[in-house]
Amino acid sequence: AQSVTQPDIHITVSEGASLELRCNYSYGATPYLFWYVQSPGQGLQLLLKYFSGDTLVQGIKGFEAEFKRSQSSFNLRKPSVHWSDAAEYFCAVGAGNDYKLSFGAGTTVTVRA
Amino acid sequence: GAGVSQSPSNKVTEKGKDVELRCDPISGHTALYWYRQSLGQGLEFLIYFQGNSAPDKSGLPSDRFSAERTGGSVSTLTIQRTQQEDSAVYLCASSLRQVLSPLHFGNGTRLTVT
Repeated sequence: AQSVTQPDIHITVSEGASLELRCNYSYGATPYLFWYVQSPGQGLQLLLKYFSGDTLVQGIKGFEAEFKRSQSSFNLRKPSVHWSDAAEYFCAVGAGNDYKLSFGAGTTVTVRA
Repeated sequence: GAGVSQSPSNKVTEKGKDVELRCDPISGHTALYWYRQSLGQGLEFLIYFQGNSAPDKSGLPSDRFSAERTGGSVSTLTIQRTQQEDSAVYLCASSLRQVLSPLHFGNGTRLTVT
């Protein structure tokens, strides 16, 4: 079965600085990878997804993620963080024949002025 | 509204009581999921419904948990004889079809068992 590890529980970043959130997955074949964001009191919203093709994917809100098969990673990045990016971020992995996404424990991002 | 709707948004109950959590998915979405979100634990899969197929109940933690989906639309998650460890946020999500369609999540029901 697939699994996801998000090594960073909490990250604090200054507004305008760059952000990178780490995600490592465990799955034997090509995974389907997702990043979701959960703002306080809200449900999860899809930021971006990777199924195949170009390993650098663009998402909403200026986020991008890069799939690196050799490192089993799918790290999320944003060049310049806005205060509204303060939220919890979840990486998730799915398999082609399994509709159940496995989610990481999440990374909480705090943005300081 | 056009999104996934869950009710109630908050529920406080005494240990041993039964609770029902409701999910109203996006119209036309055939797939419906329940996840549980505990502090620092990420999202735990509970149950999955797809159209008229038998649901995948493999994630339900005990036989005190059950769920149904009526008419391929609204779903109810029932927890009987609640325990303190059941305290969590219960999230419902729906999608057009399996895996390749993104999940659309509701805002969740925060359950507190005292």
